[in-house]
Amino acid sequence: SQKIEQNSEALNIQEGKTATLTCNYTNYSPAYLQWYRQDPGRGPVFLLLIRENEKEKRKERLKVTFDTTLKQSLFHITASQPADSATYLCALEVTGGGNKLTFGTGTQLKVEL
Amino acid sequence: GAVVSQHPSRVICKSGTSVKIECRSLDFQATTMFWYRQFPKQSLMLMATSNEGSKATYEQGVEKDKFLINHASLTLSTLTVTSAHPEDSSFYICSASDRGNSLTDTQYFGPGTRLTVL
Repeated sequence: SQKIEQNSEALNIQEGKTATLTCNYTNYSPAYLQWYRQDPGRGPVFLLLIRENEKEKRKERLKVTFDTTLKQSLFHITASQPADSATYLCALEVTGGGNKLTFGTGTQLKVEL
Repeated sequence: GAVVSQHPSRVICKSGTSVKIECRSLDFQATTMFWYRQFPKQSLMLMATSNEGSKATYEQGVEKDKFLINHASLTLSTLTVTSAHPEDSSFYICSASDRGNSLTDTQYFGPGTRLTVL
């Protein structure tokens, strides 16, 4: 069966460190993988999109890697800040999927002072 | 740019009543809009996809007669939860895509609507 797995346990890190979140998937052939941030009681906010033929994407303090052999994406936040505390969701769109996204359950990140 | 709004943000209703939720793309034309539902501590689950001027496509297990979707214009889609019951209480989120007019494949999400059915 198809699965998108993110670490369900909250990730607690110290301010200034790099946070690394993992998204693993099985039985998918994604065309795109996207990362979103979601704050409590709010809709997701788009962060980064990476295509199947891309290995890495960066945007300011954010970096996403995509390994289609391992079926895994890593999401890094460098120089983390308390304001980065939120739930981070990965989402897949499969080829020919009509722009439909399938979301993982998300990982809650807490950045402590 | 690319702002999506939802109205209302919160609604509390009695069991058996119908509730309409609006989703608007404020600064772009949305060829496609998506409706999701999110239960506490769970991920977003796609309910249906709607394209302007055509019938919505529902995901497996979602009752189309219970969750009525209308996408009458390129900036507005509505979701009506008919004869709501307590188990329909959830966080409903819409998203909009301008994929038909853009090179991007990004969906822009609304802020969500918290529905509580008593």
